[in-house]
Amino acid sequence: DAKTTQPTSMDCAEGRAANLPCNHSTISGNEYVYWYRQIHSQGPQYIIHGLKNNETNEMASLIITEDRKSSTLILPHATLRDTAVYYCIEGQGGSEKLVFGKGMKLTVNP
Amino acid sequence: ETGVTQSPTHLIKTRGQQVTLRCSSQSGHNTVSWYQQALGQGPQFIFQYYREEENGRGNFPPRFSGLQFPNYSSELNVNALELDDSALYLCASSAPGTGSKQYFGPGTRLTVT
Repeated sequence: DAKTTQPTSMDCAEGRAANLPCNHSTISGNEYVYWYRQIHSQGPQYIIHGLKNNETNEMASLIITEDRKSSTLILPHATLRDTAVYYCIEGQGGSEKLVFGKGMKLTVNP
Repeated sequence: ETGVTQSPTHLIKTRGQQVTLRCSSQSGHNTVSWYQQALGQGPQFIFQYYREEENGRGNFPPRFSGLQFPNYSSELNVNALELDDSALYLCASSAPGTGSKQYFGPGTRLTVT
C-alpha cells in the first residue's frame, strides 16, 4: 500500500502557481520523495525527486520540510496542459518498484 | 515522448484466453517494470526485470509472467484471462543507478469480455 497521503483533488487558475502537498510521515532516512504525473490516457511522467534538500528542474520545484514528513510540489506557472493526476511516492536509491496511491487530480482552469 | 514503446495499443480478448503484451525500453535502460492500472486507480506493480532476470514481483498470481530479451525489450504474458484483468498495462524502463526514476510507455489497454 502507498505510504503517502495527498488531497483527492485541487483546482488552480491558469498562470498561477500550483502548490501540491504530500504527507509522508513514515519516510525512512534513505528514502527519496518522487513525484510523477499522469495526463489522461497516457503513461505516468517523472517530474522530480529529492532526499532532503529542495530541488528544482525545468518542470517544477520540490520543497521538503526539515523533518522530511511532508513536501510540496510547485508548478510555478500552471498551464491547462498541467491538468493531470499527480502522484507523490517514496522510493529508495535502487531501481525498484514504485508504489502508487490514488494520487491527486489537479485541474487547471482558464 | 519517453522512447518507451508498447504494442499493441488496444486489445480485446475473451475470458480464458492468453495474451502477450510487448515493450521496447529506452536506449541504455537495462531494467523494465510492468504495472497494471485499473480504471480510477493508481498503477500497481506486477514485476520487474533486470538483465533478463526477474528482480521483484508484486502481488499477482503466477498466470502473470514475463520475459526480458538481450536487447532489454520485454513481454508480459497473461494466461487464463479473467474479467478483472481488464486494465491499462504499463511498462517502464530505467537506467542503472537512477533509482526510482522510471520512464513509462503509453500503455496497452486490455479489455477482457
